[in-house]
Amino acid sequence: RKEVEQDPGPFNVPEGATVAFNCTYSNSASQSFFWYRQDCRKEPKLLMSVYSSGNEDGRFTAQLNRASQYISLLIRDSKLSDSATYLCVVGGATNKLIFGTGTLLAVQP
Amino acid sequence: DAGITQSPRHKVTETGTPVTLRCHQTENHRYMYWYRQDPGHGLRLIHYSYGVKDTDKGEVSDGYSVSRSKTEDFLLTLESATSSQTSVYFCAISERGARDEQYFGPGTRLTVT
Repeated sequence: RKEVEQDPGPFNVPEGATVAFNCTYSNSASQSFFWYRQDCRKEPKLLMSVYSSGNEDGRFTAQLNRASQYISLLIRDSKLSDSATYLCVVGGATNKLIFGTGTLLAVQP
Repeated sequence: DAGITQSPRHKVTETGTPVTLRCHQTENHRYMYWYRQDPGHGLRLIHYSYGVKDTDKGEVSDGYSVSRSKTEDFLLTLESATSSQTSVYFCAISERGARDEQYFGPGTRLTVT
């Protein structure tokens, strides 16, 4: 079983749609959680950290369920510019982050 | 954007030749990482450093070595490049290890022929 698992997609959605990505992690000792965004042929960039109480940044909402070892990202009112690969990232008891393989989002006009 | 640069940005080399990739940061972060990214595998950790001269192996360290003689520089060396090492290599930095987000450099595209 992979340490961090994501649905690879692609998710094809129209502009204005709401889309949700899910991610599960296997190490219950994980302490830090993030969503990154990666554009084609570019480096990953931090989208947002994920906190136990859930957090929101504009159109983006992240949720963490420690009991189920589950993280989610909700994007409301999708824009063409949201098209990218979204990486779920988990930090454990070591000095390493574990990256999921990513979910590809394509927002259609 | 975090001050991270990688050099070279692109390189084509032949099988069996040594290759060194450089990562340079201006953020004075303690932790530095080297990843490779391949289709279907996502980002995989090669080696990381938790201080000057302090390094440890990641999940795909075979065939790679690293050195960190200064806080700002982290070098990745392929002692004898193989075609399986054709990949995109990313360097990343963080302040506090896995408790902290990482910031990535622009990447190096390496092709081994």
